[in-house]
Amino acid sequence: QKEVEQDPGPLSVPEGAIVSLNCTYSNSAFQYFMWYRQYSRKGPELLMYTYSSGNKEDGRFTAQVDKSSKYISLFIRDSQPSDSATYLCAMMDYSGGSNYKLTFGKGTLLTVNP
Amino acid sequence: KAGVTQTPRYLIKTRGQQVTLSCSPISGHRSVSWYQQTPGQGLQFLFEYFSETQRNKGNFPGRFSGRQFSNSRSEMNVSTLELGDSALYLCASSLGDRQPRGNTIYFGEGSWLTVV
Repeated sequence: QKEVEQDPGPLSVPEGAIVSLNCTYSNSAFQYFMWYRQYSRKGPELLMYTYSSGNKEDGRFTAQVDKSSKYISLFIRDSQPSDSATYLCAMMDYSGGSNYKLTFGKGTLLTVNP
Repeated sequence: KAGVTQTPRYLIKTRGQQVTLSCSPISGHRSVSWYQQTPGQGLQFLFEYFSETQRNKGNFPGRFSGRQFSNSRSEMNVSTLELGDSALYLCASSLGDRQPRGNTIYFGEGSWLTVV
């Protein structure tokens, strides 16, 4: 079983839709959770990070973490064509030598159609 | 403030050659990590340097190496290139603190390596 599982999509939605992106993980030591957005041929851009269960909101984006279910989500409200990109979840634990190493999902390709 | 800068952005090498990629972190960041991104494997951790010392290493062969200089700039080297080394190589920087906030990681645009 991979440490982080993410549905690769592709996911295609109409403009204005609510988008839900999800990752599951198996390593209960993961404590720090991030979402990155990557446009084609660009480096990943940090969208949000959280290190606790619950919700965190930033504009149209909401990150949700459920540590008991080992499940994280990113919701995008009122999606725009400019949101079209690959979304990557990433996680980090703080145990022993695994510090400072991010473990990524493979990314979900999202297209928002005008 | 300037972001993470990687050079070169694009390069083509021949099998068997070696390549050196360079990364300048965000000012004040002391940790530099390197990742390889391929369509099949996604983003995979190569290694991380902090204060010129390798602090963590991923599961890559010894052909992949790196170093960090006193100004926090970093280089990674791949020797005896193989076709499978064709990938986007990403550098990321952070403060490198042991607390979560200090570990927020920011990526550069990447170096696209094609091995022919």
